[in-house]
Order: sequence, then C-alpha cells, then structure tokens
Amino acid sequence: GQQLNQSPQSMFIQEGEDVSMNCTSSSIFNTWLWYKQDPGEGPVLLIALYKAGELTSNGRLTAQFGITRKDSFLNISASIPSDVGIYFCAGLNMDSNYQLIWGAGTKLIIKP
Amino acid sequence: DSGVTQTPKHLITATGQRVTLRCSPRSGDLSVYWYQQSLDQGLQFLIQYYNGEERAKGNILERFSAQQFPDLHSELNLSSLELGDSALYFCASSASLSRHYEQYFGPGTRLTVT
Repeated sequence: GQQLNQSPQSMFIQEGEDVSMNCTSSSIFNTWLWYKQDPGEGPVLLIALYKAGELTSNGRLTAQFGITRKDSFLNISASIPSDVGIYFCAGLNMDSNYQLIWGAGTKLIIKP
Repeated sequence: DSGVTQTPKHLITATGQRVTLRCSPRSGDLSVYWYQQSLDQGLQFLIQYYNGEERAKGNILERFSAQQFPDLHSELNLSSLELGDSALYFCASSASLSRHYEQYFGPGTRLTVT
C-alpha cells in the first residue's frame, strides 16, 4: 500500500530551538494534514494544506505543501516544553480511495 | 476538546471476551472513523462510516465489526479478544462538505486484554 515517510523518527531538542520535520511520498498528494498527539490523548489537528506551495501558520507552527506535491514540512519556532509529543503527517490522494495515509510520527523530546 | 466523545475511557478484560466501544461524533459530522494505536506505534485505520453506511475498510480483523446508528453515534465491537488487541482505540469524525478530510479525534479508549 501507499506509505508516507516521516522524518526524523525522533528529535531531542533544547527549549528555544527551532524544529523541522517532513513527510515525503512517491505519489502525488492533494491534501496534507499535520496532527499532534500528547501521551494517552487523541491526535489534534494542527494545520491543513490543500494547494501546492501553500504555506500556513498556526502560532509558532508553520507548515508547507511541497511544490512537487510529494512532500510537506512542519516547522516549530522557539520550542517550549508543551511542544513535546508525537507529530503525525497525513496525506490524501485519489489513489487512496479518499482515505488518509498516515506517517509513522516524529517524537519530539526536550533535552533535560 | 474536539467535540468527539468516546466511552469508556479504560477497559480491562480477559482473552476470549467481547467488548463494545462507543463514539459520538461532533455535532453535525456525518463521518466516523475508527483507528487502532498499539503501544508506541502509529495509527492504523480500521473502518469508516458515513451517514450510517460503511464507506471504507482498512486493516480491520474479521473479529472486529462496527456500525453507525441513525443518531450518528458509532460502536466498535471487538470479539474473541487476544492479548495483541490491547491498544488505544480512537474514533474520529469529519464533516460532510468541504472539510471532509479534516478528522477530529476523540480522547480514545484504552483496552487492556489480560
């Protein structure tokens, strides 16, 4: 089946650092979604992207729909302790029968 | 708070048993999705219902079944439970129109099979 490659798998960051993660696919997608999951909770939708090249912000978070339509990026500026969690990307294309394809997640951990 | 509710929050049961998980979607949402998340794993899509009809199936075992009722709440039935079924089960809902693919997740049901 289709897969999304999400990287990195995990990140150790210092408070205040900027963070970047991405999702790539061999297929073209026409929707990209970014979610954050806190431990034991349900994922929360952060940003939705619908057009190639689209750049959308939500507070300190900025996500981009790659121009090739095969990738998406999420950046977090000036990280704070509550940014810790797992970030999932999800994509949609016609080949997926209109079902979201999920990445495996990027785990964000604050260095002590 | 996403507006999606799930009950129960926790469930502990023995192998071979059957359980029912319940989900109420956000007000006005017609689509309900069920996901399974094993420890430290990603989200595995199980099944989707739209306005009472099954719309899509993912990696759902034959021992599992679901339905969506006329009031749009949904139930996921898990039978002949095995140890490996222990996981978080999430329900998500989405609207029927332009934001159909933006799914909003409930808090989940943690199932422990002993």
